Order: sequence, then structure tokens, then C-alpha cells
Amino acid sequence: QQQVKQSPQSLIVQKGGIPIINCAYENTAFDYFPWYQQFPGKGPALLIAIRPDVSEKKEGRFTISFNKSAKQFSLHIMDSQPGDSATYFCAATEDRRGKLIFGQGTELSVKP
Amino acid sequence: EAGVTQFPSHSVIEKGQTVTLRCDPISGHDNLYWYRRVMGKEIKFLLHFVKESKQDESGMPNNRFLAERTGGTYSTLKVQPAELEDSGVYFCASSHRYTEAFFGQGTRLTVV
Repeated sequence: QQQVKQSPQSLIVQKGGIPIINCAYENTAFDYFPWYQQFPGKGPALLIAIRPDVSEKKEGRFTISFNKSAKQFSLHIMDSQPGDSATYFCAATEDRRGKLIFGQGTELSVKP
Repeated sequence: EAGVTQFPSHSVIEKGQTVTLRCDPISGHDNLYWYRRVMGKEIKFLLHFVKESKQDESGMPNNRFLAERTGGTYSTLKVQPAELEDSGVYFCASSHRYTEAFFGQGTRLTVV
């Protein structure tokens, strides 16, 4: 049972483009929604996170949009750069438990 | 400050053999998690330690997997005997608070 569904699986954009990665969840008890960025040979690293009482959060070129009624959230990368090429994972957790439920991952390639 | 460290980075073993993975969390982090990513799929939760106690082991696939956390410091994950489907990347993560998880670089396990 896939509790967090992520799309697309892979994404190719040109430098300066705005890749968008979407996630949907089912469990309304989820209370914290982080995004992780993973480079080859490295572990996932926390990129940005949001709680459901906020509809948008921005950190630098990275923005999370959150739609609580639709149970969906997405990551936008403004002015994407080749250095942003990585695998991105959305996740969700019931805050107090800390166990992360991950989406399937999106392999992003930003072409120069 | 040292991050989460995992050993070995890569292990190739034959079906039926035993493998032990090790994780050294960030010093002072009481929470330690094990996750696994099988080829191209989502990162799946295996278990969660709080200090030396198992808080949640609901993600452990079967009794061939044994996790321990000695004295609330480093943790080991033993697979005995290993099967082909155990191949994947095993991640360890640690956190001081429930929602801030720092991941290690992972151990790539290949069972042949």
C-alpha cells in the first residue's frame, strides 16, 4: 500500500526552467511533509519541509505548495541549475512518531 | 560535527551468507532509524530505536533481519541468511528531535 505517491519518476528540464514534482498522500494523520535531495553516492539530505497549516513555504529557489483539502503537495525549483540534478523524495510523517513514509523518488536532470 | 556514518559502503555476498551493516549516528542523537531502498522504488522504513530500545520495528521484512543498538550508540543490522530480494541500499538516519532526520550515505548490498 503506497501511502505517498510521487510523480513524475523522471524529469528533464533546461537550465533556468521550473521543474515541478508532485506528491499525494492518503493518511490525514500526517503532520509534517519534508522533501529530501539525494546526489549519487550520498544519502538523502533534508531540503525543505512544511506543516499542513501553511499553504506555501519558500527557501531560496525551492518552494513547497501544500493543498490540505486535496491531500497534495509539490516542490517547485525556480531558475533550475545543472547542480540541482539529483533524485528528489517527498515524505510524510506523523510528527510525534518520526517514521518517514517516502514517495518513489523523482530523478531530475537539468541540462545546461 | 561528524555526520551519520555507515559501514561498509558496498557489500557483495552470496545467497545464504550473513552480512552485518553498521551505523554510527550523530553524537547525542537518541533516535536512530534504518531504511531500505530496493531498486527504483521508494525508501522504506525498517525500524526505529530510541536509545537502545526498539520503538517501532513494523517495517522489518522477516526474522532474517536482526537490528541491535549497543548502549544507545552505534547500531548494527544483520541479515542471516541473505536472499536475493534483500539487495538494495540500506540507509541509517539519526535525529535529536522527531522531525529532523540526518541520513548516512547508505550501504549498497548486493546478494548474488
